[in-house]
Amino acid sequence: GQQVMQIPQYQHVQEGEDFTTYCNSSTTLSNIQWYKQRPGGHPVFLIQLVKSGEVKKQKRLTFQFGEAKKNSSLHITATQTTDVGTYFCAGPNYGQNFVFGPGTRLSVLP
Amino acid sequence: KAGVTQTPRYLIKTRGQQVTLSCSPISGHRSVSWYQQTPGQGLQFLFEYFSETQRNKGNFPGRFSGRQFSNSRSEMNVSTLELGDSALYLCASSLVGQGRSLGAFFGQGTRLTVV
Repeated sequence: GQQVMQIPQYQHVQEGEDFTTYCNSSTTLSNIQWYKQRPGGHPVFLIQLVKSGEVKKQKRLTFQFGEAKKNSSLHITATQTTDVGTYFCAGPNYGQNFVFGPGTRLSVLP
Repeated sequence: KAGVTQTPRYLIKTRGQQVTLSCSPISGHRSVSWYQQTPGQGLQFLFEYFSETQRNKGNFPGRFSGRQFSNSRSEMNVSTLELGDSALYLCASSLVGQGRSLGAFFGQGTRLTVV
């Protein structure tokens, strides 16, 4: 079945440093979604990318979808303590359900 | 708009019992999916319902079942509970457009503990 991998598993950064998490799929994706889950919370939808090579920005967050539509990345510029949480990518799997990657847990040291 | 509502928030059950969890999706969302989240296995897909029909099912035993009502509210049931079923159960509702989900909106989850 389809597999979605993410690296790194954990990332500790000093506040103000940049952060990037990478997502790779074993198959070509029609689209990819990103979610953020704060400690003790539930996943919150951030964005969906559909087009090959697409780049979207949300304030300090930049999302990219690879040209081959098999990989994606999320980059945070100048991290803040509010960025703490686990970031998941998710790709569609045989219909409307999604396969989630294992997530990257981000810690931001003040 | 109200978000996705899951009840109950916390539940403690004994091995062998059964449990029913409830999910009310965002108004207008007809797709409801269920996920199990554990520290070791991450977010695992259980099943997805759309207009009262189960469209997809994950790799979980038959003890896990669900249904969706005409108002899009959904329930999932786990029978003969095992210790390994302890997890956070998340429900997500989605709008579907252009043949695909436009993003899943999760409820706060039900934390199930099996003792």
